[in-house]
Amino acid sequence: EAQVTQNPRYLITVTGKKLTVTCSQNMNHEYMSWYRQDPGLGLRQIYYSMNVEVTDKGDVPEGYKVSRKEKRNFPLILESPSPNQTSLYFCASSLVGDQPQHFGDGTRLSIL
Amino acid sequence: AQSVTQLDSQVPVFEEAPVELRCNYSSSVSVYLFWYVQYPNQGLQLLLKYLSGSTLVKGINGFEAEFNKSQTSFHLRKPSVHISDTAEYFCAVSTMDSNYQLIWGAGTKLIIKP
Repeated sequence: EAQVTQNPRYLITVTGKKLTVTCSQNMNHEYMSWYRQDPGLGLRQIYYSMNVEVTDKGDVPEGYKVSRKEKRNFPLILESPSPNQTSLYFCASSLVGDQPQHFGDGTRLSIL
Repeated sequence: AQSVTQLDSQVPVFEEAPVELRCNYSSSVSVYLFWYVQYPNQGLQLLLKYLSGSTLVKGINGFEAEFNKSQTSFHLRKPSVHISDTAEYFCAVSTMDSNYQLIWGAGTKLIIKP
């Protein structure tokens, strides 16, 4: 089954404790992206990747890191999480940039 | 820079009535347009897309949208809604110039009244 898998689905943690949210897709997609969703703001892009070893900042990259060492994986790293990063996060992928994106089920992060 | 405006944060409508969810965008270049749906506690699912060609686009679950270049709009319509259409709907736009980065509207919650 074609899918984008995010882990964990839920996480409660404390300020400053490094965390990683994993994202994996099994569709051989080149384009991958991370979004955060906050009430009334829709989705905002954090980082995206056009292909392996190619990443670029989205609209709200501060406080986040990503890597794209393999085509299927695109982890999101919060080196020193803060409460304003409490949000619902989505990973998405597409075959190429202008094609519809497939979304994971989301990761709800709470930073205390 | 591109932007997307969804004019209504919530749209209440009776079951079996028609509905229109409005989306306007701003861009100086050619755009690709999308509508996604998010059911409660789920991820986003593509409803329909406009990449080129016919301006009337049909999607899943009986939804359709019309691309109007002169009015820079891409409104979503359904002739008769069902309780199962209760969800949040997002309009998004991308362009080749912006590396296909999706710019999202704030979303419209469709509330179906029995």
